[in-house]
Amino acid sequence: AAGVIQSPRHLIKEKRETATLKCYPIPRHDTVYWYQQGPGQDPQFLISFYEKMQSDKGSIPDRFSAQQFSDYHSELNMSSLELGDSALYFCASSEENTDTQYFGPGTRLTVL
Amino acid sequence: EDKVVQSPLSLVVHEGDTVTLNCSYEVTNFRSLLWYKQEKKAPTFLFMLTSSGIEKKSGRLSSILDKKELFSILNITATQTGDSAVYLCAVPCSGNTGKLIFGQGTTLQVKP
Repeated sequence: AAGVIQSPRHLIKEKRETATLKCYPIPRHDTVYWYQQGPGQDPQFLISFYEKMQSDKGSIPDRFSAQQFSDYHSELNMSSLELGDSALYFCASSEENTDTQYFGPGTRLTVL
Repeated sequence: EDKVVQSPLSLVVHEGDTVTLNCSYEVTNFRSLLWYKQEKKAPTFLFMLTSSGIEKKSGRLSSILDKKELFSILNITATQTGDSAVYLCAVPCSGNTGKLIFGQGTTLQVKP
């Protein structure tokens, strides 16, 4: 079965650089969620989209922005990167009116 | 504030043992509770529970929900080294956006 696809899988950036993370949800899933997971921590919600509109926003820095496109894929844009942004970034998708979220393999971002 | 608490935080057992992982929650408008397994990569969906007293089972794993006492347990029988992972419990937060609030996770190590 098709799963959530994320790219890139690994990313190394310098401080103050910009990064773009991409997420392709499971076909026919219309909701996308972004989570950040620091070392030894549980995933923290960043932002979500339903039918290409932002549906909720968590503790996402103003330096980050995201959107969902007409083909339902989503991109998380991160600017002015800081050392503390180093983490695993997961994208998850779900079908309308269901709570089960399926997670992608994640993008490991390292900021040097 | 919505909250999920898991216990124990870590557990070391030997192959063949049975383990019980606990998850308690506080959420204003409860809809469901989800269990995930995370092995150094993306959380993998295990179960979604919505009704009290109805056991969900998949192989050696089973889970049950108690909506009166606000907790769930995840049982793993005849543990194997491949069960070593972090087990995450999550609930969709109050509101309709479906973002998940995770517990701290239980790190399970199964020794040969």
